[in-house]
Amino acid sequence: DADVTQTPRNRITKTGKRIMLECSQTKGHDRMYWYRQDPGLGLRLIYYSFDVKDINKGEISDGYSVSRQAQAKFSLSLESAIPNQTALYFCATTGGHGTEAFFGQGTRLTVV
Amino acid sequence: AQTVTQSQPEMSVQEAETVTLSCTYDTSENNYYLFWYKQPPSRQMILVIRQEAYKQQNATENRFSVNFQKAAKSFSLKISDSQLGDTAMYFCAFMIYNQGGKLIFGQGTELSVKP
Repeated sequence: DADVTQTPRNRITKTGKRIMLECSQTKGHDRMYWYRQDPGLGLRLIYYSFDVKDINKGEISDGYSVSRQAQAKFSLSLESAIPNQTALYFCATTGGHGTEAFFGQGTRLTVV
Repeated sequence: AQTVTQSQPEMSVQEAETVTLSCTYDTSENNYYLFWYKQPPSRQMILVIRQEAYKQQNATENRFSVNFQKAAKSFSLKISDSQLGDTAMYFCAFMIYNQGGKLIFGQGTELSVKP
């Protein structure tokens, strides 16, 4: 089984719809992250969390919200999807300073 | 601002040859970590190699090695004996010590290994 699991893997949604992307991890780490990947821009940080009560905005948080339901679960929501949120979204977890980040398989989201 | 620049959007190399991917970064911090991640067509992000900024010795992992020049803020990746399975997008990234484990990524370099 994968260390970090994202659902769904692919999703097409309409403009204005609410959508949630889910992430769970079995590494036992406290730190979890959501990144967005766009061609030519690399990955950019949306939100990150150190525990269920500690959530922080990243570089590009506008239009997104998150929920840390448990140590192992971290979901990303788009309250009202717009076409420029079409991207590949990654969830990740790390064990501490300078350690390897483990990524999920990514969610390809298309907003039409 | 903390940034990472990969100036080669695409590269190609013949199988069994050597290729070097460039990466420069900008930060005023002194303690940080540098990474190269590989993203094959499967989309999975795979750690290739990691370097601690306080270590002068360049990291190596089998056919992969880095040339870390801290003063120049340069962190290039050398792939020796390229294999078809090395075809992927490669991302350079760094993480500032004690800033929450956040990764700052470059734009990526798409590497094609040709038979």
